[in-house]
Amino acid sequence: DQQVKQNSPSLSVQEGRISILNCDYTNSMFDYFLWYKKYPAEGPTFLISISSIKDKNEDGRFTVFLNKSAKHLSLHIVPSQPGDSAVYFCAASRDSWGKLQFGAGTQVVVTP
Amino acid sequence: NAGVTQTPKFQVLKTGQSMTLQCAQDMNHNSMYWYRQDPGMGLRLIYYSASEGTTDKGEVPNGYNVSRLNKREFSLRLESAAPSQTSVYFCASSEFGLNQPQHFGDGTRLSIL
Repeated sequence: DQQVKQNSPSLSVQEGRISILNCDYTNSMFDYFLWYKKYPAEGPTFLISISSIKDKNEDGRFTVFLNKSAKHLSLHIVPSQPGDSAVYFCAASRDSWGKLQFGAGTQVVVTP
Repeated sequence: NAGVTQTPKFQVLKTGQSMTLQCAQDMNHNSMYWYRQDPGMGLRLIYYSASEGTTDKGEVPNGYNVSRLNKREFSLRLESAAPSQTSVYFCASSEFGLNQPQHFGDGTRLSIL
């Protein structure tokens, strides 16, 4: 039973525009959420996180929004750059550390 | 500045063979993890070790064993490999405690025929 879902397997966006990646979860006990970025043949790299006590966290071009009532989070990348082309995974944990549950990932392609 | 190192990077096994995947981290992290990633699915936790001397099952532990050899090393063993264990395996480590992001190795691609 997948508790973290990324319903868009792929996203194509023009360089300079905004990329919006979505993630839904079913377990209301999740209290910490993360986004990871993965290039081919490499391991995932931590990008940004948010605690359930917040509704927004920003780090440079990356902003994560959390809507607890809708059990939904999103990652905004502004502006998108060619180096952002990668697979993005949403992950969640229920006790703020350790065991993460991952979504299936969204492949982002940034075109010139 | 290696971070998390996994060996081997690729391996092909026959059904029934055994194998140990190695993982070492040089970040002095207390917690370590093993995940598998299958096509169309996210990473799934196999086993984790919150600190040296402890190990616990994750979401998909059947068919695997682990050993936390010391603070740096955490190995994953397949005693009798099955085709369903064909996957990419990732090791990760993190500081112990709340809200500590995990740092991943580059994975071991394992094929079982």
